[in-house]
Amino acid sequence: SQKIEQNSEALNIQEGKTATLTCNYTNYSPAYLQWYRQDPGRGPVFLLLIRENEKEKRKERLKVTFDTTLKQSLFHITASQPADSATYLCALDIPRGYGQNFVFGPGTRLSVLP
Amino acid sequence: NAGVTQTPKFQVLKTGQSMTLQCAQDMNHEYMSWYRQDPGMGLRLIHYSVGAGITDQGEVPNGYNVSRSTTEDFPLRLLSAAPSQTSVYFCASSYWEGLRYEQYFGPGTRLTVT
Repeated sequence: SQKIEQNSEALNIQEGKTATLTCNYTNYSPAYLQWYRQDPGRGPVFLLLIRENEKEKRKERLKVTFDTTLKQSLFHITASQPADSATYLCALDIPRGYGQNFVFGPGTRLSVLP
Repeated sequence: NAGVTQTPKFQVLKTGQSMTLQCAQDMNHEYMSWYRQDPGMGLRLIHYSVGAGITDQGEVPNGYNVSRSTTEDFPLRLLSAAPSQTSVYFCASSYWEGLRYEQYFGPGTRLTVT
């Protein structure tokens, strides 16, 4: 069955540094991969989608890479700020029934220390 | 736009009781989904819908029913609550537009079954 792993349950970094989060998957070849941010007590918020034929995508201080050979996506936050502290989820599309749906990883809780 | 709304925010049920979790969206999205989120397990898809009158099962559908009579509403029914259904439930709506895809989540319903 499809399995998604995110590098660690929690990651602490110093303000101003680059945070790098990892999403690894097995047993499938997704056409799309998404990243979400989730704050405590709230629903996830969509950040970025990257397609299998895109190696890299950027949005402001965020950068996502997608290596279909390694079956891995990296999510980078440059010049990190305490406000970036949250849980980050990756999600892969899988074909199901009437269309495509996304399977989520367990998330990585990022803490940016001032 | 209110986005995706969910009611109630919190609910406590006794084993064997039934209830309906409400979800509504005002973005005219065709796709709607229900997820449950448990510690360390990520979001898991319960049921989804690709339009009014069309629903399908997700990864963990047992014990839950859905229907979609309008584009706006997608209620989730718990038929006979069990302690294993204690979780946080999220409703989401989404759209595909060409190569663009975004999924919008509601604030969640925290359900405890005793």
